[in-house]
Amino acid sequence: GAVVSQHPSWVICKSGTSVKIECRSLDFQATTMFWYRQFPKQSLMLMATSNEGSKATYEQGVEKDKFLINHASLTLSTLTVTSAHPEDSSFYICSARDGTRDNEQFFGPGTRLTVL
Amino acid sequence: AQSVTQLGSHVSVSEGALVLLRCNYSSSVPPYLFWYVQYPNQGLQLLLKYTSAATLVKGINGFEAEFKKSETSFHLTKPSAHMSDAAEYFCAVSYMNTGFQKLVFGTGTRLLVSP
Repeated sequence: GAVVSQHPSWVICKSGTSVKIECRSLDFQATTMFWYRQFPKQSLMLMATSNEGSKATYEQGVEKDKFLINHASLTLSTLTVTSAHPEDSSFYICSARDGTRDNEQFFGPGTRLTVL
Repeated sequence: AQSVTQLGSHVSVSEGALVLLRCNYSSSVPPYLFWYVQYPNQGLQLLLKYTSAATLVKGINGFEAEFKKSETSFHLTKPSAHMSDAAEYFCAVSYMNTGFQKLVFGTGTRLLVSP
């Protein structure tokens, strides 16, 4: 149980295009999901907290117009990287919080984004 | 700033040897503390967590960690390493001022296990 999936697992796009990444909690409902970014050999950095049915809360320094987050249902949150540029290339990881399991966060396998 | 420090980006041990991965936090208020493991191309998996109960916490796969307030540490140990323990390990903290919701991660330690 407590499985979180991400799609796609990797994506390559051209500079200037937009890319959508999906995060799904497969066997539980998640009112809160989190989006992280991980640079090579570095830590996970929290980008934003996504709450179902409301606007996401972004961390300081994260451009909300650049990284659009939509949490339209209790099992799905999406991150859209708009007008992507090479510096947006990174590993994006989501997590979903399960209120029935002591609010533990369960992590997706991540999405590798490469912007050419 | 509240942060967590993992000493050593790489730790190498022989199979059967003691595993010790270090984690220190910076906060005057005791946080919740976590250890996660990440295998290649997989998500993070929770090994164990400290949430102000027993200071010695036992987790999955034979790992345990001890919260030491005086040393602001939460080091991860395992008596005998297995080849399957080779992975990236992350220490993380969360604080009361965020309702213990947000995780702040260390930079990670890659554990290498040799035969």
